[in-house]
Amino acid sequence: ETGVTQTPRHLVMGMTNKKSLKCEQHLGHNAMYWYKQSAKKPLELMFVYNFKEQTENNSVPSRFSPECPNSSHLFLHLHTLQPEDSALYLCASSQESGSSYEQYFGPGTRLTVT
Amino acid sequence: GQNIDQPTEMTATEGAIVQINCTYQTSGFNGLFWYQQHAGEAPTFLSYNVLDGLEEKGRFSSFLSRSKGYSYLLLKELQMKDSASYLCAVMDSNYQLIWGAGTKLIIKP
Repeated sequence: ETGVTQTPRHLVMGMTNKKSLKCEQHLGHNAMYWYKQSAKKPLELMFVYNFKEQTENNSVPSRFSPECPNSSHLFLHLHTLQPEDSALYLCASSQESGSSYEQYFGPGTRLTVT
Repeated sequence: GQNIDQPTEMTATEGAIVQINCTYQTSGFNGLFWYQQHAGEAPTFLSYNVLDGLEEKGRFSSFLSRSKGYSYLLLKELQMKDSASYLCAVMDSNYQLIWGAGTKLIIKP
């Protein structure tokens, strides 16, 4: 247990569906991150929130929409996804962004787009 | 561009020693991290190096040479549970983590 939980663990959705991924951290951290992990590829940073403010958006398509209502919760809203979006989506948190603190990861949501 | 290189896969024998290398080219350097990721699980933090030299933590050690853009993770007395992917990541001048693709380590009895 890393103190970061994600739900659901597995999700299968069609290209016309709308779904949301949820992440919660119980570590008292101020920064939260969304990553995409595809097989045999480096982790791709998608979004960064620091003290609830979005500080990074790495050219992510608009079909991915993040939401951070408070420092403990992070959502990723999904709509009209493409099959190439199938991947493991990891949430992470750290004391704050823009610093050398290590990141703590959740177990991920395995997303399959059909 | 920024780049992290590490071997795709390595195989080692239980009880032996293995060294996983990582070379990097980044815009600035604010430290290098190693993470372990078991299949289907979260990556977990192993080590952080920001100064040159060797950091030892139990059976695991991590080495850094900033002038060479090089690090390695050394695992001693290998156990079956060490079978996992090992991820190298460098924090650049903007404090953004640049990740390698990971090294899958297979331990054989």
